[in-house]
Formats: sequence, C-alpha cells, structure tokens
Amino acid sequence: EAQVTQNPRYLITVTGKKLTVTCSQNMNHEYMSWYRQDPGLGLRQIYYSMNVEVTDKGDVPEGYKVSRKEKRNFPLILESPSPNQTSLYFCASSLLHLNEQFFGPGTRLTVL
Amino acid sequence: QKEVEQNSGPLSVPEGAIASLNCTYSDRGSQSFFWYRQYSGKSPELIMFIYSNGDKEDGRFTAQLNKASQYVSLLIRDSQPSDSATYLCAVNGGNKLVFGAGTILRVKS
Repeated sequence: EAQVTQNPRYLITVTGKKLTVTCSQNMNHEYMSWYRQDPGLGLRQIYYSMNVEVTDKGDVPEGYKVSRKEKRNFPLILESPSPNQTSLYFCASSLLHLNEQFFGPGTRLTVL
Repeated sequence: QKEVEQNSGPLSVPEGAIASLNCTYSDRGSQSFFWYRQYSGKSPELIMFIYSNGDKEDGRFTAQLNKASQYVSLLIRDSQPSDSATYLCAVNGGNKLVFGAGTILRVKS
C-alpha cells in the first residue's frame, strides 16, 4: 500500500530533551516536507526537500533540523524542544514539487 | 497579507444542497492548486487538483480556477453529512505549498 508513515504518533516530552520524529514514504517520491498545524494558524511548512541531500527552510524553521540521506526517509529533529513547539506535525511527500502532496497520519507532540 | 485566504466559516448547508468554498491567493506565478479535506485530528486528504483555468469535475466535486482573478473554488453537489469537515485550499508557490487556514463546512441532515 502506498503510504507515508510517521513515528511516533503521540509524544509527550520535557523542555530540552532532544527528539526525532521519523517519516518514511514508499512511493519513490522526490519531494518531502514537514508541516506543523496549530489552531487558527493552519498548516505551516517547516522544512522541505526537493531530493536526496537537498533541503531548504520553509516558513517556520527555527528550532528544527532535518536530513535527507535516503530518498524514502525525512526525519524531523528537535534538538532542544520548547513548549512553543507543542503542535500537530505532518510529514508529506509528492512525486515532484508541483504535484499533489500525500500526508502521513500526524504526530501530536506535547512539550512540557 | 496572507498568501492564501479562505473564509473560516463555519459554512452551514442542508443535506442535498450545493456547498461553495472559495479561496484567493496572492502569488500570480502560482501553477498548481489543490483542495484538501481534513477531519478533526486527522491528516489532510486530497480531493481535487487543478492546473488550468476553468472547471474540473470529479464526481460530486467541481474545482474552478480563475488565474486572472487569482481565485479558486470548490463546489460540492448533493452535500452529505459525511462532507462535514475543514476544507483546505493549497497553492503551489515556487518550491513550497502554501495552505489557507481552512473553511469549516457543516452539512445538516
């Protein structure tokens, strides 16, 4: 089944404790992206990747890191999480950047 | 100024009616346009995409694009209670997809 997977689905952590949210797609898509969704603010792009080893900042990259060492994986790293990073996070992928994006199931993160 | 604007709603329509959702965007160079449906707590699900001016129909859904007016809309015919959700308009601006804040649709039976 073609899909985007994310892990973990739910995470409660404390300020400053490094964490990684994994994202994987099995559709051989070139483009991958991370979004956060907050009430009233909609979906905002954090980082995106046009291809392996090519990443770039979205609209809200502060406090996040990403890497794209393999085509299928695009992990999101929070080196020192803070409470303002409490949010619902979505990973998405598309064949190319102009094509429709398919979303993972989401990761609900709470930083205490 | 927001890059993609939608009326937040809620838009309430009776079952069987036509629901009309609207979206405007600011980047004249935008090339691809998408409508996603999102149920509470779930991930966005693609409903329609449109690249050219005019109408595109898929079942009960019709997307309309007017690049001169920088306007894209979604019509849902024969609305069902299961259509109740938040509808997100997304516009491709360069290398990224920019989303509107979404319109809440409520279909009353």
